[in-house]
Formats: sequence, structure tokens, C-alpha cells
Amino acid sequence: DAGITQSPRYKITETGRQVTLMCHQTWSHSYMFWYRQDLGHGLRLIYYSAAADITDKGEVPDGYVVSRSKTENFPLTLESATRSQTSVYFCASSVGTGMGGYTFGSGTRLTVV
Amino acid sequence: AQTVTQSQPEMSVQEAETVTLSCTYDTSESDYYLFWYKQPPSRQMILVIRQEAYKQQNATENRFSVNFQKAAKSFSLKISDSQLGDAAMYFCAYSGGSNYKLTFGKGTLLTVNP
Repeated sequence: DAGITQSPRYKITETGRQVTLMCHQTWSHSYMFWYRQDLGHGLRLIYYSAAADITDKGEVPDGYVVSRSKTENFPLTLESATRSQTSVYFCASSVGTGMGGYTFGSGTRLTVV
Repeated sequence: AQTVTQSQPEMSVQEAETVTLSCTYDTSESDYYLFWYKQPPSRQMILVIRQEAYKQQNATENRFSVNFQKAAKSFSLKISDSQLGDAAMYFCAYSGGSNYKLTFGKGTLLTVNP
């Protein structure tokens, strides 16, 4: 969906480096989410945000940091990348009515070597 | 905490046949939403169908329909007249409560045989 953009699409980084994954949405959705997808685990929530400057932990937040200074941006930072953080990362947004649905980015495949 | 369980890691179906993917969930909420997402090899998450819990009528979208059993907390997806393009990973997902988080099952990989 053209309304939510993730970058980069692919990233290879070394253990211990800081990495930031970008997410930008044009819908002005209040809610934004970061998920990681791993084989056998489905998609697991890392962090979410209900509005600018409001963020909260999801199921697997350790090792990740988020910020949301503007409604449209929700970057995800791996402070010191580990091999266990090799995954596909999805950003999503929602207007917040549940039935309003969720818009997903195309995902970032991150490999930590 | 809400949980979503997909008990079939893999399923296969013959082209033009019907297949049903299973999903159960656990929640204490009375108002919530359920979704089926399709993820082809492109990895794009595509909404297939959604159901509002307070609606008793099962949702239908063309060849896709659900069997929503609220008391049993079951939400299965039926794909009729299966096509090769239906081959993908399918995720069942739940959203309820005030934070609108989507909770996903682990997925079912559907193969369509010609």
C-alpha cells in the first residue's frame, strides 16, 4: 500500500552496530506498530504507538528503541544489533477503530552478521 | 493476554477444490475484530477478510468466507475454487481492547497443486 513506506528494504549489518529502520505513513493514522516476523513465530509485536510522543512495549521489546516525534514517522532502532535480531521487520498503521483496518509496509529484511 | 492459535502449519489443496484453514483465539473482551491476512512470497501483507465480533453473520469476500463461532472462539477461513495464486502464507489475527494491537497466529502455509 503506497500509504506506508519502510526503508531500507534490505539491510546487512554487523553485530554490535546501531541500526535504524524507518517507517513513514501518509494516512495520518494515530496508531503505528512494529512487528518482527520469524519462521515458526508469525508476527510478534515489538512496540506500538497510539499518537505522537506516546509509545509502549509489545511482546518482544528487548534490544529495541522507538520514538515518535511526528505522527507520520515511527523509526525503530536496534541499539546494539545481535544475530538473534536477524528477521523481517514490518511497520503498520491504523486509524484506531479496529474495523478500520491496518496498513502494512513492505517490510525490511535485516541480517545481522 | 490474547492469543491466536493456528494449528495447521501447512496445508495443501488441489486447484479448483475447497480448503479450510483453522484458527482459534482466546480473549476476555466482548468486542473485537478478527482478520485473515495473506502473505505471498513478495512478503506483502494483504487483507483477505475481516469479521466484527458483534456481527453474527459470517463475512464473505468472493471466494473467501469465514466460519465465525464466537462461543467456541473459532474463526476458520474457507477458500472455494482454489487458484494457483492463492498459494501463500495465511495469518489469522485478532484486535481488541483500546490499544488496537494486532495479535497474530503463527501462520499456515498453503500450497495449491495444479
